[in-house]
Amino acid sequence: GIQVEQSPPDLILQEGANSTLRCNFSDSVNNLQWFHQNPWGQLINLFYIPSGTKQNGRLSATTVATERYSLLYISSSQTTDSGVYFCAVSSGNTGKLIFGQGTTLQVKP
Amino acid sequence: DAGVIQSPRHEVTEMGQEVTLRCKPISGHDYLFWYRQTMMRGLELLIYFNNNVPIDDSGMPEDRFSAKMPNASFSTLKIQPSEPRDSAVYFCASSPRQGYNEQFFGPGTRLTVL
Repeated sequence: GIQVEQSPPDLILQEGANSTLRCNFSDSVNNLQWFHQNPWGQLINLFYIPSGTKQNGRLSATTVATERYSLLYISSSQTTDSGVYFCAVSSGNTGKLIFGQGTTLQVKP
Repeated sequence: DAGVIQSPRHEVTEMGQEVTLRCKPISGHDYLFWYRQTMMRGLELLIYFNNNVPIDDSGMPEDRFSAKMPNASFSTLKIQPSEPRDSAVYFCASSPRQGYNEQFFGPGTRLTVL
């Protein structure tokens, strides 16, 4: 089955810093989503981005489907950005999402 | 619009008891997914439905687990009998008509089996 690898596994930032999270996947996909799991455990949709580039405030994402990777950019990080960031992909027509192991981000004040 | 609704949010039970988790998908979404999150295995799909019909239950760990979707607005995941290793967070998600559209997750049910 399709494999999803995220890097780095852990990241500590000072408030105001920028960061880039990476997601590599092993096969072609027709769905790619980025999620933020907050400290209360909720999975928040950040981006639905099987290809191309999107921006939402301080966050942006780029997926290069032909090279099988996606990047999540966080600019001017805030303490509320802390949590775990997941990349998830699906292929075929099922919509079954395969999740990476996540990147745990801690933003210090 | 209300998002995906799950109940209960927390459940603590004793080994051997029956546990029923409930989910109401977003209105109009034809796909419903049940995921489980554990420290050891991360987030993994258990089963999903299309138009109330189970399509893929290959992720259901064993016969103690069962899921139903009696109508478009309600689904249950049942564990009978429950075991301590079932302790996890169970998420329900839904997506619009085509399976490879964006999925939206509920708040999850944190299950603890003592």
